[in-house]
Amino acid sequence: NAGVTQTPKFRVLKTGQSMTLLCAQDMNHEYMYWYRQDPGMGLRLIHYSVGEGTTAKGEVPDGYNVSRLKKQNFLLGLESAAPSQTSVYFCASSRQGAEAFFGQGTRLTVV
Amino acid sequence: AQSVAQPEDQVNVAEGNPLTVKCTYSVSGNPYLFWYVQYPNRGLQFLLKYITGDNLVKGSYGFEAEFNKSQTSFHLKKPSALVSDSALYFCAVTGTTDSWGKLQFGAGTQVVVTP
Repeated sequence: NAGVTQTPKFRVLKTGQSMTLLCAQDMNHEYMYWYRQDPGMGLRLIHYSVGEGTTAKGEVPDGYNVSRLKKQNFLLGLESAAPSQTSVYFCASSRQGAEAFFGQGTRLTVV
Repeated sequence: AQSVAQPEDQVNVAEGNPLTVKCTYSVSGNPYLFWYVQYPNRGLQFLLKYITGDNLVKGSYGFEAEFNKSQTSFHLKKPSALVSDSALYFCAVTGTTDSWGKLQFGAGTQVVVTP
């Protein structure tokens, strides 16, 4: 049982480049989330999804897009990366009203 | 608007002493409340949750939390702290109305337990 898997684990981008972070869960969870973690800021919610085909904005959605075409996958896209997007990104999934399970994170550096 | 506050950036406690990590929240409808712990270079691990029922919730590794509706608080407690409890602790909340599904975290509290 893999749980929540994030790919890649590390990435270095140049300013202006684009990339997609993939999150996959094998627990048949309805809800999925993308967070970024920065020192002193805690985890800030970027986007979330309450079911296949649905997405919603979190606290810090600007500069990011997401898609949930399949229930098990939640993709986070950066169309034009900026140094301010240097962060550790976490994906999570949950059932309704239950605790969330987290991936191991993606460390992204934008130079 | 939904929010979570952890008023202390860091809590220092001697091993064997009681540990308390504070959390207050604001949410529409009834709250679903959670505590997580993060060790260096790791993801978040679930400790405990309050959905409904008893205000005192028991969780993993000897931790417990008390839900106080009138004070909108959900403080994490451990009667006797261990050095291995040193980590970053996060409180999280989601509501049952317009913020349904929006799981929001506090800024985190670093716990340092000294021998």
